[in-house]
Amino acid sequence: AQTIHQWPVAEIKAVGSPLSLGCTIKGKSSPNLYWYWQATGGTLQQLFYSITVGQVESVVQLNLSASRPKDDQFILSTEKLLLSHSGFYLCAWSLAGEQYFGPGTRLTVL
Amino acid sequence: QQKVQQSPESLSVPEGGMASLNCTSSDRNFQYFWWYRQHSGEGPKALMSIFSDGDKKEGRFTAHLNKASLHVSLHIRDSQPSDSALYFCAARASSGSWQLIFGSGTQLTVMP
Repeated sequence: AQTIHQWPVAEIKAVGSPLSLGCTIKGKSSPNLYWYWQATGGTLQQLFYSITVGQVESVVQLNLSASRPKDDQFILSTEKLLLSHSGFYLCAWSLAGEQYFGPGTRLTVL
Repeated sequence: QQKVQQSPESLSVPEGGMASLNCTSSDRNFQYFWWYRQHSGEGPKALMSIFSDGDKKEGRFTAHLNKASLHVSLHIRDSQPSDSALYFCAARASSGSWQLIFGSGTQLTVMP
């Protein structure tokens, strides 16, 4: 069975500080991977997707970057956080169009 | 304008009642639809998919798709307090498309 793990569970960071969020998928070879951002109670905004190792496509520009260093790992990062980066970050993988989400990381920027 | 619009924004139903959620697409390229449910503090989980016109029933949940009117609905009968969650409609264009477009969501509250 496939499992998806995100870390950390939650972060509280200062404006201007760096950030790195991680996502690991086990039990699925060469998955399509996605990063989403969600404001509290809001819709899901897709940020990045990756079809293969080393290849990442940006969907929206939010002063964030993503990388896929390994087949089962997806990293979201920024060197300088903004207040607007606060929210819920979700990683997902897909099979036959359906997307499967991780538990998410709650980010609070102060 | 958002390509996938949901209504109502919020909905309250009594326990045991029927909840009806609606979704309309503005893009005729969308051929595949899902309903997702998200409990507070968790990631969304797919409830069901619907790709053909008509009804699809899974337990207490029934989805209906009308491609001509680009309308999808979800009906939950015998609603339970555990059904209280944020519900999203999601749409995808072709079979080769990687992108899933999510609607704005409907917050469902089932009152005991």
